[in-house]
Amino acid sequence: DIQMTQSPSSLSASVGDRVTITCRASQGITNYLAWFQQKPGKAPKSLIYGASSLQSGVPSRFSGSGSGTDFTLTISSLQPEDFATYYCQQYNIYPLTFGGGTKVEIK
Amino acid sequence: EVQLVQSGAEVKKPGESLKISCKGSGYSFISYWIGWVRQMPGKGLEWIGIIYPGDSDTRYSPSFQGQVTISADKSITTAYLQWSSLRASDTAMYYCARRQCTNSLCSFDYWGQGTLVTVSS
Repeated sequence: DIQMTQSPSSLSASVGDRVTITCRASQGITNYLAWFQQKPGKAPKSLIYGASSLQSGVPSRFSGSGSGTDFTLTISSLQPEDFATYYCQQYNIYPLTFGGGTKVEIK
Repeated sequence: EVQLVQSGAEVKKPGESLKISCKGSGYSFISYWIGWVRQMPGKGLEWIGIIYPGDSDTRYSPSFQGQVTISADKSITTAYLQWSSLRASDTAMYYCARRQCTNSLCSFDYWGQGTLVTVSS
């Protein structure tokens, strides 16, 4: 299985901050990576697919980059509604695997 | 409007069987993979498996292979996740999600609301 390692596991930030979350794959996955946002008690929501393509309806302050084994999710200016847990997922090969999650908390 | 509507919360005893459902609407059900994801209390997301309702092609995570069965009934646009003998460790929220792919770039773009399964004696 491909292991997905996210860092940090949690972070504290203020509204307006630039936030970067990293996801590393245990082997190359080209650009077959997605990012999801999950708020407490809610289903995950798709943010990014193909490592850098923004899902329809997602604000442009979210962006993704990377290829191969190293990927990042960036929130350019953190908004109050962005406090949540973020997960990466590889879909290069089965089984699809998720990272452990990054919880973004209010500073 | 694309929707995935899951069946309601379940409370079961260890050893009992269970089948939860995920009904798709607003799109061509047979043309998109449907995946299942587990989230244990306070934990992260785990991929269980996926089915293509068009031909019932199914893939499982090795962690769940033999523990659950994924199926679909395209006549009623519904996917299922079932257990033959539940364990306390199956207590979790279970989500279904539609897999959308464009030129090999994929994501789970629509999600069900989740089904909470509680297994307790």
